[in-house]
Amino acid sequence: DTAVSQTPKYLVTQMGNDKSIKCEQNLGHDTMYWYKQDSKKFLKIMFSYNNKELIINETVPNRFSPKSPDKAHLNLHINSLELGDSAVYFCASSPTGFRGYTFGSGTRLTVV
Amino acid sequence: QQQVKQSPQSLIVQKGGISIINCAYENTAFDYFPWYQQFPGKGPALLIAIRPDVSEKKEGRFTISFNKSAKQFSLHIMDSQPGDSATYFCAASFGSNDYKLSFGAGTTVTVRA
Repeated sequence: DTAVSQTPKYLVTQMGNDKSIKCEQNLGHDTMYWYKQDSKKFLKIMFSYNNKELIINETVPNRFSPKSPDKAHLNLHINSLELGDSAVYFCASSPTGFRGYTFGSGTRLTVV
Repeated sequence: QQQVKQSPQSLIVQKGGISIINCAYENTAFDYFPWYQQFPGKGPALLIAIRPDVSEKKEGRFTISFNKSAKQFSLHIMDSQPGDSATYFCAASFGSNDYKLSFGAGTTVTVRA
């Protein structure tokens, strides 16, 4: 019955690898987001999709590519991973017009 | 650059005391100001939110005070409990079509029993 679920919860990988994080929400929300939380806990938006359409793309390296196959799913693919990509990545969702997000539990990515 | 500045970075309060976290913003277009609570290993959860046409909003032991002229808002946690120990984030956004929340840097609150 998890509202916003992310997989995997932990991801340890080597520099240069490609990895994906999956996100699914069962709340019927129209908008989904990816946020990055760094080691100092600072939360910064990366992408936002509304009804499968990209509406926000912050200054994120193009090694990061989001994909929304339908409005309940928003996946994040990262190419050529770098040490600086190590962080916790949160998926979130909200209904259109309401800015109270529901966050997932996060994916802790460690690049070694 | 951070659009919402939050202080303090951390605070310790005794059980039953009041925790106060302050936030300031510059963008006068912001019209929605939520607070999120995050426990270790979990995602942030919406706690309470306010719009600038209201100076105060209370939900249980949590109160937001909003000062539009000073461009500041704060979270007060009354009768703090050990279960309130968490990181608290203020945030702001604007426009009905803007879906982006700008977060403060977070405040780690520790409530001592």
